[in-house]
Amino acid sequence: NAGVTQTPKFRILKIGQSMTLQCTQDMNHNYMYWYRQDPGMGLKLIYYSVGAGITDKGEVPNGYNVSRSTTEDFPLRLELAAPSQTSVYFCASSYSLDYEQYFGPGTRLTVT
Amino acid sequence: LAKTTQPISMDSYEGQEVNITCSHNNIATNDYITWYQQFPSQGPRFIIQGYKTKVTNEVASLFIPADRKSSTLSLPRVSLSDTAVYYCLVGAIDGSGNTGKLIFGQGTTLQVKP
Repeated sequence: NAGVTQTPKFRILKIGQSMTLQCTQDMNHNYMYWYRQDPGMGLKLIYYSVGAGITDKGEVPNGYNVSRSTTEDFPLRLELAAPSQTSVYFCASSYSLDYEQYFGPGTRLTVT
Repeated sequence: LAKTTQPISMDSYEGQEVNITCSHNNIATNDYITWYQQFPSQGPRFIIQGYKTKVTNEVASLFIPADRKSSTLSLPRVSLSDTAVYYCLVGAIDGSGNTGKLIFGQGTTLQVKP
């Protein structure tokens, strides 16, 4: 049982490039989340999903897109990367709203 | 949305009890309160969750007063391995039961000294 896995661990992008951050969970959780964490700050919710085919915006969705075609996968897409998107990105999943979230190890992204 | 406020940092010594308070003045009736622990270069890890009064598990206690405008995480007899950042999370559930606004505090860095 691997829990929540994220790829890649590190990535450097040039301004204007695009990429997809991958997230997979093997716990059959319906709820999945994407957060970003800037240095010395708390986590901010980007997007979340309550099940396959259902996604919604969080606190800071601008510049990102998501999809949820399966229960296991919840990729985060960055279009036209900007320096302001330099951050650590965490994916998480939970059984339901009032259950604990399980977090992945994070992806450290630098945009230069 | 319930904005949260925590102390930036706290120091303690091994064996002491540590209490970390989070303020969330605008918490709504259906919001729940969750605490997470984060070590450097790792994702947060769940500690405890509650709605009101007191919750206790094998690692911590959570105290929530009747007005729910604050909550206190209590760590009994801390050790060096408890040195980490502790986050308070307030979850907002809308009428349909979905949550779109999960508000993390800025975190409290706890330094446990020998």
